[in-house]
Amino acid sequence: EAQVTQNPRYLITVTGKKLTVTCSQNMNHEYMSWYRQDPGLGLRQIYYSMNVEVTDKGDVPEGYKVSRKEKRNFPLILESPSPNQTSLYFCASKRGGGMFASYEQYFGPGTRLTVT
Amino acid sequence: GESVGLHLPTLSVQEGDNSIINCAYSNSASDYFIWYKQESGKGPQFIIDIRSNMDKRQGQRVTVLLNKTVKHLSLQIAATQPGDSAVYFCAETAGNQFYFGTGTSLTVIP
Repeated sequence: EAQVTQNPRYLITVTGKKLTVTCSQNMNHEYMSWYRQDPGLGLRQIYYSMNVEVTDKGDVPEGYKVSRKEKRNFPLILESPSPNQTSLYFCASKRGGGMFASYEQYFGPGTRLTVT
Repeated sequence: GESVGLHLPTLSVQEGDNSIINCAYSNSASDYFIWYKQESGKGPQFIIDIRSNMDKRQGQRVTVLLNKTVKHLSLQIAATQPGDSAVYFCAETAGNQFYFGTGTSLTVIP
């Protein structure tokens, strides 16, 4: 089954304790992205990656890091989480650039993060 | 950043009626517009997209209309069913970045 998986699904942590949210897709997609969803603000893009070793900032990258060492994985790293990073996070993937590019993003189930 | 908004935060329709969800955008350079559906507790799910050089595109029970003159996008759902109850988001892209609206919550009344 084609899917995007995220782990963990729920996480409660304390300010300053580094954490990583993993994301993996099995569709061989070039493009992957992270979003955060907050009430009243919709989905905002944090980072995206066009392919292995290629990452770019989205609209709200401050306080986050990403890496793309393998095509299927795109972890989101919070080096020093703060309470304002409490949110619902989604990872997504889609076919990448060129003539086969698609605008249909496949989203994971979400990770609810609470930073106290 | 981009501004992608929605005219109404909530919409209630009778089962079997048609639904129209509206969206306004601000970036004239956006080349694709996409509609997503998000059910409670799940990630967004792609519904349909439309390229900026088109005015209308139809899918299964859904139609997207694009009016570039007034920077307006709409999603029409025909014969709305209880399973259509969800939050609907529009999104725009001018390349590799995506900008989402805040969503409209659609409730279908049986």
